Amino acid sequence: GENVEQHPSTLSVQEGDSAVIKCTYSDSASNYFPWYKQELGKRPQLIIDIRSNVGEKKDQRIAVTLNKTAKHFSLHITETQPEDSAVYFCAASIKSGAGSYQLTFGKGTKLSVIP
Amino acid sequence: ETGVTQTPRHLVMGMTNKKSLKCEQHLGHNAMYWYKQSAKKPLELMFVYNFKEQTENNSVPSRFSPECPNSSHLFLHLHTLQPEDSALYLCASSQGTLGGYTFGSGTRLTVV
Repeated sequence: GENVEQHPSTLSVQEGDSAVIKCTYSDSASNYFPWYKQELGKRPQLIIDIRSNVGEKKDQRIAVTLNKTAKHFSLHITETQPEDSAVYFCAASIKSGAGSYQLTFGKGTKLSVIP
Repeated sequence: ETGVTQTPRHLVMGMTNKKSLKCEQHLGHNAMYWYKQSAKKPLELMFVYNFKEQTENNSVPSRFSPECPNSSHLFLHLHTLQPEDSALYLCASSQGTLGGYTFGSGTRLTVV
C-alpha cells in the first residue's frame, strides 16, 4: 500500500520567514496530492492541492511543488503570520482495487509562527 | 457550516455500551469516509463508501460497523469498544474519490 512520510514533525519560524514542509510517497501511481491545515480543536481543511500532471502550483503565500521522479512534494509558506500556526498534513491519493481512490495521510507537521 | 455535519461532538461511553456516530453531508458528494485521528498518529482511513457501496475496509475491528443508507448519510455503529479506541473520529466527503475531501468537525470519543 501507499506510504507517506512527512518531515519535519515540528517546525518553528519567526513571523515573516518562510516555512517548508516535505513529504515523500511510495507508490508511483499516486496522482493527487492535497495539503490540509488543522487548527487546534478544528477540522482539517484543504488549503492547496496538486495533480501529477503539474509541477508547481501557487495560491498567494502558499505554494506546492511536486517531483514525480523523486516521489516527493513540498509545501512552501512565505511571509508567515501567527495565524499560520497549525498542524499541516500532506496526503497522496491512489486508486484502490475497487476502482475508487483513497487518501493516505502523512503524520503531520506542527508549525508554530513566533511573533 | 462546511457542509459536513457530525453528531455528537463529544461522546463518553463504557466498554459494554452501544452507540452510533452520525455524519451528514449537504454538498451533493457521492463518496464518504470515516477516519480515526489519535494523538501523535496520522489520519487513519477506516471505511470508504462510493455511491453508497463500501469500497474499502482497512482491517478495522468488527466492533466498528459502518452504515451508509444513502449518499448523504453515514453512520458508525460502536459496540464493546476498548479504551484504546478513544480518539477523534472524522467523517469526510468528496465528489468522486479523486478530489479534495471536506471534513466534518469530528466526534471526540472517550471509552471508559
